[in-house]
Amino acid sequence: EAGVAQSPRYKIIEKRQSVAFWCNPISGHATLYWYQQILGQGPKLLIQFQNNGVVDDSQLPKDRFSAERLKGVDSTLKIQPAKLEDSAVYLCASSFLFGTASYEQYFGPGTRLTVT
Amino acid sequence: GIQVEQSPPDLILQEGANSTLRCNFSDSVNNLQWFHQNPWGQLINLFYIPSGTKQNGRLSATTVATERYSLLYISSSQTTDSGVYFCAVERVLPGNQFYFGTGTSLTVIP
Repeated sequence: EAGVAQSPRYKIIEKRQSVAFWCNPISGHATLYWYQQILGQGPKLLIQFQNNGVVDDSQLPKDRFSAERLKGVDSTLKIQPAKLEDSAVYLCASSFLFGTASYEQYFGPGTRLTVT
Repeated sequence: GIQVEQSPPDLILQEGANSTLRCNFSDSVNNLQWFHQNPWGQLINLFYIPSGTKQNGRLSATTVATERYSLLYISSSQTTDSGVYFCAVERVLPGNQFYFGTGTSLTVIP
């Protein structure tokens, strides 16, 4: 079974530029999550989708971050414009959905973003 | 949100030693997972354990949901066990949001 795919693996941009990350979840997983992990901390949930609908985006900085999952499969997370404090690893995860219950999450390798 | 505290924050072990990592959470949860983040940053699933006890080789985990804690046991530690161990809990509705703990950084020395 293929795992969660993410690209790119690394990205370096200057502040005020824009950047986009892509995630393809495990086949059949209806729930998709984007996390931000700052060095030395645990992952923080940014947004959670069930199919193509947003379940939770309470911790997404909506003035600069956006995410979409148009066909309920792959997803894109965008930052525009980037700030220095956005330097982090962006992790995508997916899980199987049964009714309203999500099961164990599986993580992709992450995208390491450096903003200079 | 839910507060998730892990202890100890750092742990150094001699190869072959045993250890217990703890995860306390502040509210009722639907699910709990343990992860190992390796030195390359990949989060690897260890256990999906909302309650009860599970074992996988040298690792085992116990969750006592009514008392809001989970334990991860590592026996006969190896250098490849080094990394950061996270627990993550899924709160009861609304939103089924997952909260990660602060992690335990484990170093196993030969």
